Amino acid sequence: GIQVEQSPPDLILQEGANSTLRCNFSDSVNNLQWFHQNPWGQLINLFYIPSGTKQNGRLSATTVATERYSLLYISSSQTTDSGVYFCAVETSGGGADGLTFGKGTHLIIQP
Amino acid sequence: SQTIHQWPATLVQPVGSPLSLECTVEGTSNPNLYWYRQAAGRGLQLLFYSVGIGQISSEVPQNLSASRPQDRQFILSSKKLLLSDSGFYLCAWRGWGLRYRATTDTQYFGPGTRLTVL
Repeated sequence: GIQVEQSPPDLILQEGANSTLRCNFSDSVNNLQWFHQNPWGQLINLFYIPSGTKQNGRLSATTVATERYSLLYISSSQTTDSGVYFCAVETSGGGADGLTFGKGTHLIIQP
Repeated sequence: SQTIHQWPATLVQPVGSPLSLECTVEGTSNPNLYWYRQAAGRGLQLLFYSVGIGQISSEVPQNLSASRPQDRQFILSSKKLLLSDSGFYLCAWRGWGLRYRATTDTQYFGPGTRLTVL
């Protein structure tokens, strides 16, 4: 099956810093999502981005499908950005097979 | 708007006991439904998915089973729990772009059930 690798596995930053999280995948995808898992375990949708660039406030994401990677940018980090960020992909059409997740990037924003 | 519910939120069960976790979705019809498990605080693994009532596909062989008795209800079960069944179980549904007037093909997750098997 498809492999999803996220880097770095852990990241500690000071409040106000910018960060870039990377997701590499081993095959063509028709679905790619970025999630933020908060300390209570809730998975929060950030972006649906199988290709192209999107922005939502301080967060933006870019997927270069031909080169099989996606980047999540967080600018002006806040302590509430702490948590685990997951990249998840799907390869088949029809949408029934579910997502394959990376192992996540654990982000800690220190005040 | 669509919402997804899971219960219970937390559960502590002895080894060998049965399990039933429930997931329900509101505000949609005929969704694709999914069960995932997260172990050791990282990475989610797809366990089951369903495209309709009574239709279940399993991704990994395990001690668990799933059922979909109603359109918007998805149940995860076990006859005898193992220690290795401990984890965080998440249910998800899929929103389709055309059907839900959205421009995404996104999975939405419930709040999860934290299961500890002792």
